[in-house]
Amino acid sequence: GQNIDQPTEMTATEGAIVQINCTYQTSGFNGLFWYQQHAGEAPTFLSYNVLDGLEEKGRFSSFLSRSKGYSYLLLKELQMKDSASYLCAVTLRGSSNTGKLIFGQGTTLQVKP
Amino acid sequence: GAGVSQSPSNKVTEKGKDVELRCDPISGHTALYWYRQRLGQGLEFLIYFQGNSAPDKSGLPSDRFSAERTGGSVSTLTIQRTQQEDSAVYLCASSPLDTQYFGPGTRLTVL
Repeated sequence: GQNIDQPTEMTATEGAIVQINCTYQTSGFNGLFWYQQHAGEAPTFLSYNVLDGLEEKGRFSSFLSRSKGYSYLLLKELQMKDSASYLCAVTLRGSSNTGKLIFGQGTTLQVKP
Repeated sequence: GAGVSQSPSNKVTEKGKDVELRCDPISGHTALYWYRQRLGQGLEFLIYFQGNSAPDKSGLPSDRFSAERTGGSVSTLTIQRTQQEDSAVYLCASSPLDTQYFGPGTRLTVL
């Protein structure tokens, strides 16, 4: 089966740095997405990693290690508006895999003043 | 430009009734996905459409669930004889290639 694990909740302070981890055990891994979801809103795309390494995009960076089945999302200079759920999602290889996303449970991040 | 839109935004229904949820994808996006998100849970894949190919229905939880996509654009998700466990937010996403762009969802409450 497919399994994706993330911490359920995290708390951090405004201006600080936080790292949200995601581990996965899947058959035929292709790539990994991070989405941000504010309460009551649609998930919005943050990053997509296919190759190993770190990809930086402003205050947000995402890291992938395919050999370890591990990814993290790094948020710098935290702002109150970063309080949201962060969803880790995997896509699989193979003709029978249609690009559908397999999601973890999501990590709810609370940023405090 | 316009994003993915869904209607209604909220739907309250009685157990046993049928409901239809609508999704308007981003123009030009060939792929369309439906997901379900129960309270406090991650998103759960339901069904996928790509062009004229047969849809991937592998995520539909029961035969009470069905979906169609007309003219390669608008999609409707139908739930027949709704049950209380169907209560969730139903999210639609469209994609031009890899990245999926989500609509605001329809919150379904079955009483």
